[in-house]
Amino acid sequence: SQQGEEDPQALSIQEGENATMNCSYKTSINNLQWYRQNSGRGLVHLILIRSNEREKHSGRLRVTLDTSKKSSSLLITASRAADTASYFCATDAGATDSWGKLQFGAGTQVVVTP
Amino acid sequence: DAGITQSPRHKVTETGTPVTLRCHQTENHRYMYWYRQDPGHGLRLIHYSYGVKDTDKGEVSDGYSVSRSKTEDFLLTLESATSSQTSVYFCAISEWGQGAGANVLTFGAGSRLTVL
Repeated sequence: SQQGEEDPQALSIQEGENATMNCSYKTSINNLQWYRQNSGRGLVHLILIRSNEREKHSGRLRVTLDTSKKSSSLLITASRAADTASYFCATDAGATDSWGKLQFGAGTQVVVTP
Repeated sequence: DAGITQSPRHKVTETGTPVTLRCHQTENHRYMYWYRQDPGHGLRLIHYSYGVKDTDKGEVSDGYSVSRSKTEDFLLTLESATSSQTSVYFCAISEWGQGAGANVLTFGAGSRLTVL
């Protein structure tokens, strides 16, 4: 079963707008990661936020984590056509029975139109 | 996808035939993974390896076997392919267990398998 569930499933915006997507998860985590997948390609790691962090920035990316609500959000500011991709959250429970394993959600498909 | 290659990239086969997908890395990473990606399901872990000859099952391991005889190669075998195994298969590697502070994955480009 999936640990992370992304919302929305799909998002269509225009260049220059911000894109926000959310991830909810079920069990406690050690960290949560976001990956991007361009069409026909493998996933690429974007950013990691640890369970003791609340917010993290990387370029135009902003990630928040609320462990009390078991949720995270990814904000892409000033979006570009090149941001068109699917975005996945992945959780690392860090527990013995899940050691070394990440669990991925189903992803949010983002389309940025010029 | 520097440092990790998957082969074949595309394969069409018939139900009941054996299929082997290969993942090759040049990064000397300890952890290697096989995931499958299907619409609506995201990525689901099939098997993973934490060292030569050390492998373990993921959440969807039925019908799949793996082998790792060398650090650089991780093979995924479908002993008798079924139509439900039509999917895109991704290999990933990680420095986890080698001093990395977190388990961050680097993915291959994927292998698209169609079982008719």
